[in-house]
Formats: sequence, C-alpha cells, structure tokens
Amino acid sequence: DTGVSQDPRHKITKRGQNVTFRCDPISEHNRLYWYRQTLGQGPEFLTYFQNEAQLEKSRLLSDRFSAERPKGSFSTLEIQRTEQGDSAMYLCASSSRQGSSYEQYFGPGTRLTVT
Amino acid sequence: EDQVTQSPEALRLQEGESSSLNCSYTVSGLRGLFWYRQDPGKGPEFLFTLYSAGEEKEKERLKATLTKKESFLHITAPKPEDSATYLCAVQVRRDSSYKLIFGSGTRLLVRP
Repeated sequence: DTGVSQDPRHKITKRGQNVTFRCDPISEHNRLYWYRQTLGQGPEFLTYFQNEAQLEKSRLLSDRFSAERPKGSFSTLEIQRTEQGDSAMYLCASSSRQGSSYEQYFGPGTRLTVT
Repeated sequence: EDQVTQSPEALRLQEGESSSLNCSYTVSGLRGLFWYRQDPGKGPEFLFTLYSAGEEKEKERLKATLTKKESFLHITAPKPEDSATYLCAVQVRRDSSYKLIFGSGTRLLVRP
C-alpha cells in the first residue's frame, strides 16, 4: 500500500495528558498537511510542511500543539495537556503538483477522545 | 473571507433516483476545486479536481461541473454503495501553502 498512513488509528487519553500522532506520507510527496475534523464538519487546516520546513500554521494551532517533520519524510503532531475540546479526528494529507494546483491525498486519520 | 457552503446538508435517495449536490464558494485566488468522498470513521477519498469554469469530470455514476461561483456533483442512478458524505473543498494559495478550505459536506443516503 503506497497511500498515506497514520498511527495510531484511535487514541483515548485523560485530560491533561500528552499525545503524539504520526503520519507517513506518500513517498514522493514533499508537501504534508495536518487537518482537524469534528463531527458533522469538514476538515479544518492546522499546519503545512514543505520538506522539513513548517511554512504555515493556523490560528487553530494553539501553543499546546506542535508539529515536526524532521527529515522531510514522516511527521508528528503532539498535543500537550490535552483538553476535552481537543477530541476530534486528526487527518494528515500529502500532495504533489498537478498542473497549477496540488492534489491532496488523505490518510485514514487518528480519532482522539479526551475523557 | 474565504467561504465554502454545501447544500443540502443531508439527502436521502431511492436507488436509481438521480440528484445533484451543490457547492458554492467565495474565495480569492482559486487554484482548484476538489470533491472528496468520506465514509464514516475514514479519511476523505479523492474524487475530482476542477480548475476552470465550464470544466466537467466524470467517474462511474458521478459527474462534477464547475462555474465561477459554484460546483455541482451529479449522481446518476445511485446505488446503496454510493452512501457517504461528499465534501467539497477549494484550494487557495497563501504564501507557499496550497491549503484546502472545506465545506461541511452533504451526507448522502441511498436506499435499496
């Protein structure tokens, strides 16, 4: 399978704990995105990497959130001191250039539940 | 402000009953309009990209069209396996990012 993979698929944690998610993009894609999706809503952009550089962060990404892509391959998203409002599906996407745009392909997501 | 609105929020069809889903948008610097299918508990699955007004793309029972302010996803003779949430997204360029701005989706249920 050469698609985007995410790990874990599900995470249940207690409020105040730290969690880390991993995303492995499609191997030849140098662009990687993180999105968050809550029930009944479309995904919302969190942050973007081109190779190892983090080039854009949404205001949704509070200082409790940090993302890295150390070698320009896989990426991690860490949430410190989790809150119940952090419960959501966290989606990773990678992209390649297609004409004047970049088609994004999504992973299966990590479902986070904060109790 | 960039905005994407999808309608209806939910749609119930009988098998074989054709219909259309709407996606209207107000953005500056549109780089593409994307349609995705999302099954419960899974990530969005890429369907189509449309780049310019008048463009059309087809895949099996689905056909996507684009105007300057909206896009339609036409479903012809749907089957129960077409039941899913259909997401529309516009791609905008801000600095070097080509992020997607999504609508809230249309939940489609096709009954046998």
